Amino acid sequence: GAGVSQSPSNKVTEKGKDVELRCDPISGHTALYWYRQSLGQGLEFLIYFQGNSAPDKSGLPSDRFSAERTGGSVSTLTIQRTQQEDSAVYLCASSLAWRKNIQYFGAGTRLSVL
Amino acid sequence: AQKITQTQPGMFVQEKEAVTLDCTYDTSDPSYGLFWYKQPSSGEMIFLIYQGSYDQQNATEGRYSLNFQKARKSANLVISASQLGDSAMYFCAMREGSGAGTASKLTFGTGTRLQVTL
Repeated sequence: GAGVSQSPSNKVTEKGKDVELRCDPISGHTALYWYRQSLGQGLEFLIYFQGNSAPDKSGLPSDRFSAERTGGSVSTLTIQRTQQEDSAVYLCASSLAWRKNIQYFGAGTRLSVL
Repeated sequence: AQKITQTQPGMFVQEKEAVTLDCTYDTSDPSYGLFWYKQPSSGEMIFLIYQGSYDQQNATEGRYSLNFQKARKSANLVISASQLGDSAMYFCAMREGSGAGTASKLTFGTGTRLQVTL
């Protein structure tokens, strides 16, 4: 497919476990973003990557959250020692980081921490 | 202070009518971009329309148009000839900076839930 792909679509985990969420951006897009959507906080920026530049991690809520982008393409968001407040939909987006810089989103991963 | 404000938590519109969804923004950056996204119940965020701060004309994309009033810092979305499939959450978002050659995060409003009725 030509769009942003995220997996898994749903993830249920127990409090204290680690989880990994995957994002495969649109081919050729140089920038990749992670956002979180929760009932109480709305849509929040977490982190973005662009090319070989250092990522902007300014939105990560705690040091339990980390992300990497391998080979300038696929990204993994890792949440360690999950807490119930981490329950949310995690959205990934990608863009060309040029001109309008329109971000195109994947369908998201719904994370439920029991 | 909120950077993006959407004051209408919910709106109703009859099929085939036009509807305006409000969005005001706050930034001191002279270069910025404004976006509208649609989120149906399936959850995917769908890009609808973009307006750059230096664009002279209001953006239009099919049935969507953006009423951009720079001095008032408003960027209202107008949907003409509403269809049942337009029922969804609509988010206004802003990117500060030109966006050219560099990535930049989006700041979102709280959204407006639009319900199209027969």
